[in-house]
Amino acid sequence: AQSVTQPDIHITVSEGASLELRCNYSYGATPYLFWYVQSPGQGLQLLLKYFSGDTLVQGIKGFEAEFKRSQSSFNLRKPSVHWSDAAEYFCAVGAPNYGGSQGNLIFGKGTKLSVKP
Amino acid sequence: EPEVTQTPSHQVTQMGQEVILRCVPISNHLYFYWYRQILGQKVEFLVSFYNNEISEKSEIFDDQFSVERPDGSNFTLKIRSTKLEDSAMYFCASRRSGLETQYFGPGTRLLVL
Repeated sequence: AQSVTQPDIHITVSEGASLELRCNYSYGATPYLFWYVQSPGQGLQLLLKYFSGDTLVQGIKGFEAEFKRSQSSFNLRKPSVHWSDAAEYFCAVGAPNYGGSQGNLIFGKGTKLSVKP
Repeated sequence: EPEVTQTPSHQVTQMGQEVILRCVPISNHLYFYWYRQILGQKVEFLVSFYNNEISEKSEIFDDQFSVERPDGSNFTLKIRSTKLEDSAMYFCASRRSGLETQYFGPGTRLLVL
């Protein structure tokens, strides 16, 4: 069965420092990969997605992620973190037949990011 | 920018009561979903809905749950007889078609006492 692992439950970085959030997936075929962010009291907002093509994808708010098939990873990065980036970040993979009528997402447990001044 | 909306934002109910959670997906979207997130746990898929019928459901989605699209805009999740373990944040999501992004609503936090 497909699964997503986010090994870091909580990360704290200083404002202005770089950030990398890890995500590993288990999936037999080419995965559809997503990063969502959830601010307190808010819904899930899409940061970026990978379907095919260039393995380095750019997203909103200055985030990027790199798909590495050999490592089954899709790590999220940002070169300089802002205090407003404090939130919970979820990696997700599209279930089989994502393009079809089912198309649900399988989420990791999330990584909570704290930013210190 | 169009967005998915959900009502209510919070709901408190007694065990055994019925609750209906409401969602208004983005208007030209065709695929609809419910997910839930128990406090401290991952977001879990409940059900997908397309062409006025359930297209897939998880093991969580048992006979106590039902979904409906009663008109052209609303998408509802009903829990017939709530249990303590149904306490969670429930997210609605919608997708326009094919390989498109799922857009999530802000969630309804359900507390069963």
